[in-house]
Amino acid sequence: AQTVTQSQPEMSVQEAETVTLSCTYDTSESDYYLFWYKQPPSRQMILVIRQEAYKQQNATENRFSVNFQKAAKSFSLKISDSQLGDAAMYFCAYRSLYNQGGKLIFGQGTELSVKP
Amino acid sequence: EPEVTQTPSHQVTQMGQEVILRCVPISNHLYFYWYRQILGQKVEFLVSFYNNEISEKSEIFDDQFSVERPDGSNFTLKIRSTKLEDSAMYFCASRGGRGRHEQYFGPGTRLTVT
Repeated sequence: AQTVTQSQPEMSVQEAETVTLSCTYDTSESDYYLFWYKQPPSRQMILVIRQEAYKQQNATENRFSVNFQKAAKSFSLKISDSQLGDAAMYFCAYRSLYNQGGKLIFGQGTELSVKP
Repeated sequence: EPEVTQTPSHQVTQMGQEVILRCVPISNHLYFYWYRQILGQKVEFLVSFYNNEISEKSEIFDDQFSVERPDGSNFTLKIRSTKLEDSAMYFCASRGGRGRHEQYFGPGTRLTVT
């Protein structure tokens, strides 16, 4: 079974600085998707970015980018120019392409605080 | 922009009572999901639903749980006899058809069992 691990329960960053959140996963599959979701205090789950395993190019969405290392099974999220509104819980998630239902398997989350 | 909606936002119920949590997925989506998040813990998969039947369920999703898509828009999660440990945030999510891999989440229903 696949597992997702986020080893940093909490991270802190100064406003306008850059922070990297770590995620590792374990799978024997070769095709899958990886996602980062943001959960602000409202507890709504918001999709931040996705990465297809077959793509070598790292995904980017404005200030958010990933460092996808398939061999190392690592999928970190980099937030550039951090803003106060980035403060939230961030979850890494895995989705198998061999599973018809397409469920997401989540990591434990990293609580990001942004200092003004 | 279309979004997933859930009602109610907060439900308080007594142990042993039945609850129904409601979701309206994004209108052209075909895959539907329920997840739950106990306070301070990670989000856990409960069940996925496609073509009017369950496609996968987790160990959490026992006989006390059921899902239904009673019409073309609503997707419900029923807990027949609630337990204290069912207290959690319940999220509905939906996904488009084949080739569409992102799941979009609703705002959640906070269930409190007393």
